[in-house]
Amino acid sequence: GAVVSQHPSWVICKSGTSVKIECRSLDFQATTMFWYRQFPKQSLMLMATSNEGSKATYEQGVEKDKFLINHASLTLSTLTVTSAHPEDSSFYICSASPLTGGTEAFFGQGTRLTVV
Amino acid sequence: DAKTTQPPSMDCAEGRAANLPCNHSTISGNEYVYWYRQIHSQGPQYIIHGLKNNETNEMASLIITEDRKSSTLILPHATLRDTAVYYCIVRVGSSSNTGKLIFGQGTTLQVKP
Repeated sequence: GAVVSQHPSWVICKSGTSVKIECRSLDFQATTMFWYRQFPKQSLMLMATSNEGSKATYEQGVEKDKFLINHASLTLSTLTVTSAHPEDSSFYICSASPLTGGTEAFFGQGTRLTVV
Repeated sequence: DAKTTQPPSMDCAEGRAANLPCNHSTISGNEYVYWYRQIHSQGPQYIIHGLKNNETNEMASLIITEDRKSSTLILPHATLRDTAVYYCIVRVGSSSNTGKLIFGQGTTLQVKP
C-alpha cells in the first residue's frame, strides 16, 4: 500500500514553545490530508482537513490559531502546535489518499507529543 | 458522531476465525463500509472496504448484509499479531481523495494463545 510518513515519531517540548510535525506522502500525491489527535485509551478525533494551496478546514472546537496547518505541496502537510501546554500532550496522526487509484486513506505512524 | 456501532471488546483463540460485527443502520446509498485497525501506539492500518458486495483480500473478508445495515469483518485465521482495535467506518467513497474518516470507539480484539 501507499506510504505516509510522519516526523518526528516523538517529541518532548517545554510548555510555551511551538512544535512542528510533518506529514509526507512518500509515493503518491494528495491534495487533501487529514490531521487527527488521540488521547490515551480513546479513539481518533479528526482535528482538521489540510488542503493543498488553500486554508485548512478545522473541526468544531479545534482552535485554528493554536494548531497551524500548512499544505505547501502535494506531498507535504505540516501541523504546528503553538504555545504548547501539557494538555496538548497527545498522539497526533495524519492521513492521506492518493489523487488516483483507490479510495482508502493511508495513515502515518503517528507523533507522540509530550509537553512538560 | 460516528455512524457505526461495534462491541467494545472481543476475544478469539489463535488460529480460529475472528468475526467482528458492525451496525450501520443509517448508512446512505453512496457510503462505503471501511475497516481499519490500530495496533497499540501506531497509526491505523487499512484492512478492507466495500459498498454492497462481499469483499475479500489477503487480510480479511467483509460480509455486508443485503439491506446494508450491518457488516462483519472476518479474519480467517487469527494470530497474536492481529490483537488490535478494529474500527468500522462509513464514508463516501469516490475516485477523488475527499471523504473524512470519523472514528467510533471500535472493537478491541484480543487474540489468545
